[in-house]
Amino acid sequence: ETGVTQSPTHLIKTRGQQVTLRCSSQSGHNTVSWYQQALGQGPQFIFQYYREEENGRGNFPPRFSGLQFPNYSSELNVNALELDDSALYLCASSGQGHGELFFGEGSRLTVL
Amino acid sequence: QQQVKQSPQSLIVQKGGISIINCAYENTAFDYFPWYQQFPGKGPALLIAIRPDVSEKKEGRFTISFNKSAKQFSLHIMDSQPGDSATYFCAASINNFNKFYFGSGTKLNVKP
Repeated sequence: ETGVTQSPTHLIKTRGQQVTLRCSSQSGHNTVSWYQQALGQGPQFIFQYYREEENGRGNFPPRFSGLQFPNYSSELNVNALELDDSALYLCASSGQGHGELFFGEGSRLTVL
Repeated sequence: QQQVKQSPQSLIVQKGGISIINCAYENTAFDYFPWYQQFPGKGPALLIAIRPDVSEKKEGRFTISFNKSAKQFSLHIMDSQPGDSATYFCAASINNFNKFYFGSGTKLNVKP
């Protein structure tokens, strides 16, 4: 059984740039959630995708957007990067209606 | 407004001792309360979870105590081991699991 994989693991961008982060969900899972984890803080919900549709969104501006593909993998896109976007971005997959989130190891984004 | 408040921020326990981490919530609609364990460089992993219809759940050395009237729940780690040294997050969600609210985390250090 393949776990949740994320890429890239680390990246550095400058303010105003755009970034795309990728996630492959665990085998058999059709739901993907994205979380932002600032240093020393708990994860904060960005949004969730279920069967290619957005299924809930947290308190993040529209420059945070996402996609889910037919194979249930997902992308997180962030436009017009700001310094405060520096964080660990976690992807988690789950079966719809199941409580357990299976997290990847995250993509650490640094915005200079 | 933080939906789930966690304390303490850090905790040092001797090997063999009991580690206790507390969380409090406000939203009475929450009905699923998991605890996640996160090691450095890794994503969070589910440790144990409880629903509000029971007051306690035990899995091995890990126990969740739940007080519905006080809107509080806690994690007890019995016979703490150096391998338990990690950051622990409590969380809460509402029945469709599409959004989890995480606490700010407790960094546990178990001294040998």
